[in-house]
Amino acid sequence: EAGVVQSPRYKIIEKKQPVAFWCNPISGHNTLYWYRQNLGQGPELLIRYENEEAVDDSQLPKDRFSAERLKGVDSTLKIQPAELGDSAVYLCASSDSLWGSGTGELFFGEGSRLTVL
Amino acid sequence: SQQGEEDPQALSIQEGENATMNCSYKTSINNLQWYRQNSGRGLVHLILIRSNEREKHSGRLRVTLDTSKKSSSLLITASRAADTASYFCATGSNSGYALNFGKGTSLLVTP
Repeated sequence: EAGVVQSPRYKIIEKKQPVAFWCNPISGHNTLYWYRQNLGQGPELLIRYENEEAVDDSQLPKDRFSAERLKGVDSTLKIQPAELGDSAVYLCASSDSLWGSGTGELFFGEGSRLTVL
Repeated sequence: SQQGEEDPQALSIQEGENATMNCSYKTSINNLQWYRQNSGRGLVHLILIRSNEREKHSGRLRVTLDTSKKSSSLLITASRAADTASYFCATGSNSGYALNFGKGTSLLVTP
């Protein structure tokens, strides 16, 4: 079974440019997460989806970040315009629903490393 | 925001020794998970312990949870060089899993 797929793996852009990251979760997983991980830190939750509904986006900087999960499957995270401080690894994860019979295990993609110059 | 705090930040041991990492958190939780991350890779789930459990085992891993102290520990027995990685705890609530990660413990196991 394919794992969580993210693209691109690496992206280098200049500040003020837009950037988008794509995530395809594990088939059947209702819950999708986007995290940001700064160097030497743990992941920080940006947004969490249950199917196509964003149920937790309190940590998403909404002035420049946006996300969507149309049809409740794959998802896109966008930054526009990017700032120097946005340099980080953006991780996508998926899991069974909290209220399902799943184990609660999150499956992570390899991440998208963003460098803003 | 990061709720969990792992201790120590870095740990260096030799193969065959045991490694113990601790995690403290601030608010009430429903569950707590431990994840491993190899350099440049995504995170891999190790174990989940629920708030009504005190100890859990999985292979060479032993996790304890003390909700009165708001702390958890991860013990890796008979460590191997392949255990070299960063280890993170993640707390969850009734709203969801892995909502808050700690800063992690970097483990180095030398042959």
